[in-house]
Amino acid sequence: DAKTTQPTSMDCAEGRAANLPCNHSTISGNEYVYWYRQIHSQGPQYIIHGLKNNETNEMASLIITEDRKSSTLILPHATLRDTAVYYCIVRGDNNNDMRFGAGTRLTVKP
Amino acid sequence: SAVISQKPSRDICQRGTSLTIQCQVDSQVTMMFWYRQQPGQSLTLIATANQGSEATYESGFVIDKFPISRPNLTFSTLTVSNMSPEDSSIYLCSVEGQGVYEQYFGPGTRLTVT
Repeated sequence: DAKTTQPTSMDCAEGRAANLPCNHSTISGNEYVYWYRQIHSQGPQYIIHGLKNNETNEMASLIITEDRKSSTLILPHATLRDTAVYYCIVRGDNNNDMRFGAGTRLTVKP
Repeated sequence: SAVISQKPSRDICQRGTSLTIQCQVDSQVTMMFWYRQQPGQSLTLIATANQGSEATYESGFVIDKFPISRPNLTFSTLTVSNMSPEDSSIYLCSVEGQGVYEQYFGPGTRLTVT
């Protein structure tokens, strides 16, 4: 079973930052937080992951709270092509499979 | 990153028949995974396939229904056997990145059973 809770859907204006929250209150010390997204009719795409420090790459930033019970994925300047379902996943470093929850359907509007 | 291809990309099959889905990776990988995504739903892990050993199936999935082969480090197949309309889904394979933690997914096979 997925260990995360995400809002079902969110809207964001094009060019604005999209902030996608995720609750993972039962996360354990060796579990990472991963974010993937799935654009319609495509396979999921890796975005970013982190353990306890905030992370940033060319796609997004990941902010993890100090107690690690929640995190936020930030798309700094959302475009129409960022419209997708975003999945927040927790996974231990000794597990290999990704267990997907329902995700958040992000719609970027012009 | 790994490049993953799947064949067929889509198919329409009759009830009671079987379909074998192929997954090809452009690099050698230890672990491959098969997922199912039913219409409007999230992904559900079917099984994990390691080269040289039998696949490990998740609860609710059995080898007789979803036999998997993993003959080498770049290839795997998933067969959907004795299909019914409830098997209509997108089937995706994925692999773990070399030395990193993320997984890469194939484009999926869209199966419709009539």
